[in-house]
Amino acid sequence: QQQVKQSPQSLIVQKGGIPIINCAYENTAFDYFPWYQQFPGKGPALLIAIRPDVSEKKEGRFTISFNKSAKQFSLHIMDSQPGDSATYFCAALEYGNKLVFGAGTILRVKS
Amino acid sequence: ETGVTQSPTHLIKTRGQQVTLRCSSQSGHNTVSWYQQALGQGPQFIFQYYREEENGRGNFPPRFSGLQFPNYSSELNVNALELDDSALYLCASSFDGNYGYTFGSGTRLTVV
Repeated sequence: QQQVKQSPQSLIVQKGGIPIINCAYENTAFDYFPWYQQFPGKGPALLIAIRPDVSEKKEGRFTISFNKSAKQFSLHIMDSQPGDSATYFCAALEYGNKLVFGAGTILRVKS
Repeated sequence: ETGVTQSPTHLIKTRGQQVTLRCSSQSGHNTVSWYQQALGQGPQFIFQYYREEENGRGNFPPRFSGLQFPNYSSELNVNALELDDSALYLCASSFDGNYGYTFGSGTRLTVV
């Protein structure tokens, strides 16, 4: 079963727009929630991550919002650029050793 | 500081054959995990090795096995290859299983 549900599957925004990608989970044992960016032919690269005791975290143009009671978290990309076009994965860490990934969101930023 | 390196980058095997994929961890990392990423999907956890011992396993059959060496490099072995084993195999390393997992670029395995 899919333990981390990610939406939307794909997203197209204009340059400068703010794409938002959402994830939901059920397992309360998850204690770390990273976001990864993946370009074709490459492995996932860590963008930003959050612990469940924090409601928001910003790093550069990337912001995670976390709602522990709703078991949801989201990624916002400020001032998006064509170079941000990639596949984005949310994930959750279980038992300290297993990353459970969402299905991914293909983002295209139009110039 | 070197990243995670995987070899080979691409591989074509015939159904029923065996394959070995290799991973060199990032410098200073003693934990390595392997993931399978089918086309258009998120990576799926295969197993993790910590200090040469298996430290957790996902929902993969026993024909998927691994090793971690004293220098913390690792191998993933898959026996009796099936067509559905065609995927990108990713290695990720961290220090003491801490949260900062670094992924390699993967090995693209095609089973024909």
